[in-house]
Amino acid sequence: ETGVTQSPTHLIKTRGQQVTLRCSSQSGHNTVSWYQQALGQGPQFIFQYYREEENGRGNFPPRFSGLQFPNYSSELNVNALELDDSALYLCASSLVSRGGRNTQYFGPGTRLTVL
Amino acid sequence: AQTVTQSQPEMSVQEAETVTLSCTYDTSESDYYLFWYKQPPSRQMILVIRQEAYKQQNATENRFSVNFQKAAKSFSLKISDSQLGDAAMYFCAYRSSQGAQKLVFGQGTRLTINP
Repeated sequence: ETGVTQSPTHLIKTRGQQVTLRCSSQSGHNTVSWYQQALGQGPQFIFQYYREEENGRGNFPPRFSGLQFPNYSSELNVNALELDDSALYLCASSLVSRGGRNTQYFGPGTRLTVL
Repeated sequence: AQTVTQSQPEMSVQEAETVTLSCTYDTSESDYYLFWYKQPPSRQMILVIRQEAYKQQNATENRFSVNFQKAAKSFSLKISDSQLGDAAMYFCAYRSSQGAQKLVFGQGTRLTINP
């Protein structure tokens, strides 16, 4: 167990709807990263939040947005869902510090199905 | 942009034997980190081992060790005394020491352990 939790475990939505996924970081961590993992693929970086600010973004459209809260938990929001958004969404937390190991520890993921 | 390639979609090994998973990467940076993550059917991405590029010594963690060849941009994982619990998808990942410190993953290698 990494101490990183995600909710919900599974989610089914229809095309055009909006969804919010949640992540609780490991205690003491200040950074959260989100990844999308399509079936049979490696995870793809969506974005990262550090101290409540977006700290980098992958090649994902603006309808993918996020938040990080003062307790370092995080949300991933996806608007106008498309069929291709069906995937496993992984959250990873880390402690980013100068000279630190900055290793990312993953949660169990949320499986999103868009019909 | 950095890329990670895992050329073995599937590998199998007899229980108690040794297996090596291959990974190559492409980068113009000199300072970075490399990781092997394991993803069992439970979906949670688990850190197996990490390697700092500035360290010449290969990392080891119990039965897991790496062969890091910086000039060749190669980072293979050796699993000794394979156990049934080692069966999983294995992902090689790259992380820059600069910027958002996102993980760039390979496509993964599915490892099967034969009893």
